[in-house]
Amino acid sequence: DAGITQSPRHKVTETGTPVTLRCHQTENHRYMYWYRQDPGHGLRLIHYSYGVKDTDKGEVSDGYSVSRSKTEDFLLTLESATSSQTSVYFCAISPWGPGNTIYFGEGSWLTVV
Amino acid sequence: SQQGEEDPQALSIQEGENATMNCSYKTSINNLQWYRQNSGRGLVHLILIRSNEREKHSGRLRVTLDTSKKSSSLLITASRAADTASYFCATDAQAGTALIFGKGTTLSVSS
Repeated sequence: DAGITQSPRHKVTETGTPVTLRCHQTENHRYMYWYRQDPGHGLRLIHYSYGVKDTDKGEVSDGYSVSRSKTEDFLLTLESATSSQTSVYFCAISPWGPGNTIYFGEGSWLTVV
Repeated sequence: SQQGEEDPQALSIQEGENATMNCSYKTSINNLQWYRQNSGRGLVHLILIRSNEREKHSGRLRVTLDTSKKSSSLLITASRAADTASYFCATDAQAGTALIFGKGTTLSVSS
């Protein structure tokens, strides 16, 4: 158990509405990541963070923003949800920094209708 | 972006058989990792092999790395039904950034 909690675990929302997914960790690790997983695409990096207020874009960041005001929380926001953002979202942490082993949360299933 | 590609996409075997899946990547790496994902769950780290290593073992898992061919293989010996899952390779080709994952191999082990 890597001490990662994602919320909500399941959500259905309407197109055009804002959505925020939360990732909470109990270990105070610096490095946190948001990935999305879609059939045929595997896991793709959305955003990552190397500390409080230190975030950067990943491969598929368009339409997403993140915030990290506390070490333990990494928030992913869809400003105006679209059907193409229907996906499973995984948060991950790395105790040892970039390129090393990462530990995943259990995922958040988001459906945009 | 640089990405590992697993092969085959899907693999079905009987309990007791060995399962081999492969990963190819495009650019130089510092290490390569394998992860497993059970249906509906998050990914779980299995093993990490560094670029200066050629082979690594962990229980029934054997990973090889051939940097000249930019490829890795994951062998699961004496497969069990509980090994049924998707397996992903991940690389760290860009220093200082996050891991890049392949699309995965779905392994089905029947009893």
